Amino acid sequence: GENVEQHPSTLSVQEGDSAVIKCTYSDSASNYFPWYKQELGKGPQLIIDIRSNVGEKKDQRIAVTLNKTAKHFSLHITETQPEDSAVYFCAGSNYQLIWGAGTKLIIKP
Amino acid sequence: SQTIHQWPATLVQPVGSPLSLECTVEGTSNPNLYWYRQAAGRGLQLLFYSVGIGQISSEVPQNLSASRPQDRQFILSSKKLLLSDSGFYLCAWSVKGGTEAFFGQGTRLTVV
Repeated sequence: GENVEQHPSTLSVQEGDSAVIKCTYSDSASNYFPWYKQELGKGPQLIIDIRSNVGEKKDQRIAVTLNKTAKHFSLHITETQPEDSAVYFCAGSNYQLIWGAGTKLIIKP
Repeated sequence: SQTIHQWPATLVQPVGSPLSLECTVEGTSNPNLYWYRQAAGRGLQLLFYSVGIGQISSEVPQNLSASRPQDRQFILSSKKLLLSDSGFYLCAWSVKGGTEAFFGQGTRLTVV
C-alpha cells in the first residue's frame, strides 16, 4: 500500500527566511498531493494542493513542487512570518489520503 | 456550503467510563467519513473510515468502535475507556475519490 514519509519532523527558521518541507511517496498511482496546516488545538486545514499532471503550483508565499519520477513533493514557504508557526502535514492519494507524520514549523522572531 | 460539526470540544472522563463522540456534516450527501487520533499531538492516526451508512472500516485494533447510523452522522464510541485513549480526536469528511479532506475542530479527550 501507499506510504508517505515527511521530513524534517521539526524545522526552525528565522522570520523572513524560507522554509522547505519534503515528502516522498511509494505508490506511483497516487495523483493528488495536498498540504495541510494545523494550528494548536484545531483541526488541519488545506493550504495548497497539486495534482500529478502539474509540476508546480504557487499561491502567494506558498508553493508546492512535484517530481513524479522521483516520487517526491515539497512545500516551500517564503518570507516566513510568526503566523506560519504550526504543524504541517503532507498527504498522497490515489483513492484515499495517506498522511505524512507532520512537521512542526517554528518561526523565530 | 458544507460544514462539519464535532462535539464536545473537550472531555475529561474517568477510566472505565463509556465514550460517545459525535460528528455531523451539513451541505453534502454520501460523504466519506473519518475518525483520526493524535496521541502525540502531531501524527494523524486513522482509526475508522466509512463510505456509507452502516459501512465501517477499522484501521487499527483498539478499545474504540464507530458507527454511522445516518448518511452524515459518524459516532466514535467506547464501552470502557483506558488511560491510553487520551488524545485529540478529529472527525473529517471528503467526497468520494480521495480528494480534499475537511476536518472538524477536534475533541480533546483526557482519561483520568
